[in-house]
Amino acid sequence: GDSVTQMEGPVTLSEEAFLTINCTYTATGYPSLFWYVQYPGEGLQLLLKATKADDKGSNKGFEATYRKETTSFHLEKGSVQVSDSAVYFCALSKGQAGTALIFGKGTTLSVSS
Amino acid sequence: ETGVTQTPRHLVMGMTNKKSLKCEQHLGHNAMYWYKQSAKKPLELMFVYSLEERVENNSVPSRFSPECPNSSHLFLHLHTLQPEDSALYLCASSQQTGDSPLHFGNGTRLTVT
Repeated sequence: GDSVTQMEGPVTLSEEAFLTINCTYTATGYPSLFWYVQYPGEGLQLLLKATKADDKGSNKGFEATYRKETTSFHLEKGSVQVSDSAVYFCALSKGQAGTALIFGKGTTLSVSS
Repeated sequence: ETGVTQTPRHLVMGMTNKKSLKCEQHLGHNAMYWYKQSAKKPLELMFVYSLEERVENNSVPSRFSPECPNSSHLFLHLHTLQPEDSALYLCASSQQTGDSPLHFGNGTRLTVT
């Protein structure tokens, strides 16, 4: 079945460090791909999305490129801030009516000053 | 204000109790979802409603019973739960099912004693 695999966390970085969180997926067809972020005590929020191969989603300094050849959608940010500390979820959607997003396990990011 | 409101934020219940979780969305969306979030596990999709009709039920035990009286409200009725049902229950809504972005509430933290 369709699935999403994220790198195990937690990821611990110093402020202004470069961030990469790996995400790979297994799916038939051409899914849409998403990154969601969950801050402490809150629900998930959409961070960025890409709907076709080679698309790059970006938001708040984060970006991810849809790589069909490697079935990947890695999240990157050039310079993280303490306020970026959160749990990040990669997800996919087949775009079919009646279906919902399939999420990975989430990766916890902790940024210290 | 996320546009999706869940109540209560925290709930402690015994295994013989009956309680209900409530979700309300003011975004004009047509689809609503219940997800279960447990530590170190992917988000588990429980139920999907589209235009007030249930369209997906992921083999959820019958001790969880959803209700969607209209497109703005979603309930999760709980009875005779088990301690392993303790988790964060997240409600979400979207314009339609498929790859429309989800908007999440802040969740109900459920503890079953």
